[in-house]
Amino acid sequence: EAGVAQSPRYKIIEKRQSVAFWCNPISGHATLYWYQQILGQGPKLLIQFQNNGVVDDSQLPKDRFSAERLKGVDSTLKIQPAKLEDSAVYLCASSPLKRTGGSYEQYFGPGTRLTVT
Amino acid sequence: RKEVEQDPGPFNVPEGATVAFNCTYSNSASQSFFWYRQDCRKEPKLLMSVYSSGNEDGRFTAQLNRASQYISLLIRDSKLSDSATYLCVMDTGRRALTFGSGTRLQVQP
Repeated sequence: EAGVAQSPRYKIIEKRQSVAFWCNPISGHATLYWYQQILGQGPKLLIQFQNNGVVDDSQLPKDRFSAERLKGVDSTLKIQPAKLEDSAVYLCASSPLKRTGGSYEQYFGPGTRLTVT
Repeated sequence: RKEVEQDPGPFNVPEGATVAFNCTYSNSASQSFFWYRQDCRKEPKLLMSVYSSGNEDGRFTAQLNRASQYISLLIRDSKLSDSATYLCVMDTGRRALTFGSGTRLQVQP
């Protein structure tokens, strides 16, 4: 079974530029998450989708970040304009609707490492 | 106060040692708890779920104490391959995860 795919793997931009990340979840997984992981910290949830609807975007900085999952499959996360403090790894994860062994395991993609200079 | 607090370490232990990590959480509404493992420059992966009755998976044992709001992970007979960051994770019921900052383990030959 293919895992969660993300691209690009690395991105370097200057502050005030725009950037977009793409995620393709595991086939059949209804729930998709975007996390931000700053060096030395654990991942922090930015936004959670179930199918193409937003479940939780309370921690998404909406003045500069946006995300969509138009057809309930792939998702894009955009930052416009980027700030230095946005330098982080952006992780996409997906999970099925049904529990497996008592939990909703989340499967993470390899992440996109963003450096803002 | 952070929702999930962990000692960042690093814990440097010799091969074969037993090592334990603790984690405390502040949200009493938290329903599910997990330990995730993250290797350097890799994505997090589920290590094990944590239940009130305690659970064991090979050399790994996890415990949950709801009254004191802490979670523990015990690793017996440490291997070099256990070197990683161990993330304490909780789910408050919305199925989105809240992660601690992680505890780094370095097993030395």
